[in-house]
Amino acid sequence: RKEVEQDPGPFNVPEGATVAFNCTYSNSASQSFFWYRQDCRKEPKLLMSVYSSGNEDGRFTAQLNRASQYISLLIRDSKLSDSATYLCVVTVYGNKLVFGAGTILRVKS
Amino acid sequence: GAGVSQTPSNKVTEKGKYVELRCDPISGHTALYWYRQSLGQGPEFLIYFQGTGAADDSGLPNDRFFAVRPEGSVSTLKIQRTERGDSAVYLCASSLAGATYNEQFFGPGTRLTVL
Repeated sequence: RKEVEQDPGPFNVPEGATVAFNCTYSNSASQSFFWYRQDCRKEPKLLMSVYSSGNEDGRFTAQLNRASQYISLLIRDSKLSDSATYLCVVTVYGNKLVFGAGTILRVKS
Repeated sequence: GAGVSQTPSNKVTEKGKYVELRCDPISGHTALYWYRQSLGQGPEFLIYFQGTGAADDSGLPNDRFFAVRPEGSVSTLKIQRTERGDSAVYLCASSLAGATYNEQFFGPGTRLTVL
């Protein structure tokens, strides 16, 4: 079983839609949680950290459920520029990042 | 300021050859990481340097892979006797220090193709 599992998609949504991605992690000792964004043939970039209390950054909301070992990302009012792969990331020990395989989002006009 | 840079951007080699991939981290970043990303997968951790020393090399797949950071800045990932399965994008990242709360900034990667 992979340490971090994500639905690969693709999610095809119209502009303005709300879309949610989910992710589960297997190691209950996981300490830190992130969502990264990766554009086609580009490097990953940090989108946001994820906290147990939930956090919001503009149109993006992230949630963490430690009991269920589940992380979510909600994107409201999708833009064409949101089209990318969204990577769920955890750390277990130290600072090596453990990535999921990513979920592809395509926003269409 | 300048981000993480990696050279070459693309490398094509033949099975059995030796390759070196270079990473220049952001100035002042003491922590440096190597990851490998295969098609359709997320990046996979290889090795982490804090300063000149490898603090965690648990992700190196076998002894054909080796990395150095002799002066605590530039790092080189070395792959001996390359195999077709080594084909991937090799990503380097750096951060201010080794704590998880310090964002890791990734370079554009080196796309390695082993024929």
